[in-house]
Amino acid sequence: SQQGEEDPQALSIQEGENATMNCSYKTSINNLQWYRQNSGRGLVHLILIRSNEREKHSGRLRVTLDTSKKSSSLLITASRAADTASYFCACNSGGSNYKLTFGKGTLLTVNP
Amino acid sequence: ETGVTQTPRHLVMGMTNKKSLKCEQHLGHNAMYWYKQSAKKPLELMFVYNFKEQTENNSVPSRFSPECPNSSHLFLHLHTLQPEDSALYLCASSQAGGQSYEQYFGPGTRLTVT
Repeated sequence: SQQGEEDPQALSIQEGENATMNCSYKTSINNLQWYRQNSGRGLVHLILIRSNEREKHSGRLRVTLDTSKKSSSLLITASRAADTASYFCACNSGGSNYKLTFGKGTLLTVNP
Repeated sequence: ETGVTQTPRHLVMGMTNKKSLKCEQHLGHNAMYWYKQSAKKPLELMFVYNFKEQTENNSVPSRFSPECPNSSHLFLHLHTLQPEDSALYLCASSQAGGQSYEQYFGPGTRLTVT
């Protein structure tokens, strides 16, 4: 069953603008991870945030986690054309350390 | 590159063929994964190997047969596939241990079943 669900499904912005993507999930998690996928390629890990963390930063990326609302957001600041990709949230929950449940992703297009 | 390689990158096979997908990781990880990515569907976990032992089989049909001879190599043997099995097959690896770690993905094998 799908755990993470991204919103919006697609987002188109201009270079230099900020992009915000959201992820909602149904059951409590151990951690939530964000991945990027360029067209037809493998996924690249961006950030892992644990259930006891509220915010993490990595370069131009900022991830927040609100466990009371069962939601997370990924903010990309000062976007670039190279940020064009699909972005997925993935939830690790339950007793398995290895199982990630992915959403369908948000397709971000950054126009030059 | 992520340190995870997959071969072949593209594969076209008939429904009666037998083929294998190969994955190799150069990261010293002990957990390896097979995922299936179909259009407009979430990424589906197929199999998990932890220290060469299969720890997850996500109700995958028996026409998909995984093999993990050591912690660096993972195979997916394919036989008598159906057209709906056409998809991007992704291999990933991660550290193994008492907590969940980030996964490193290979570039995938684009499989077309005719």
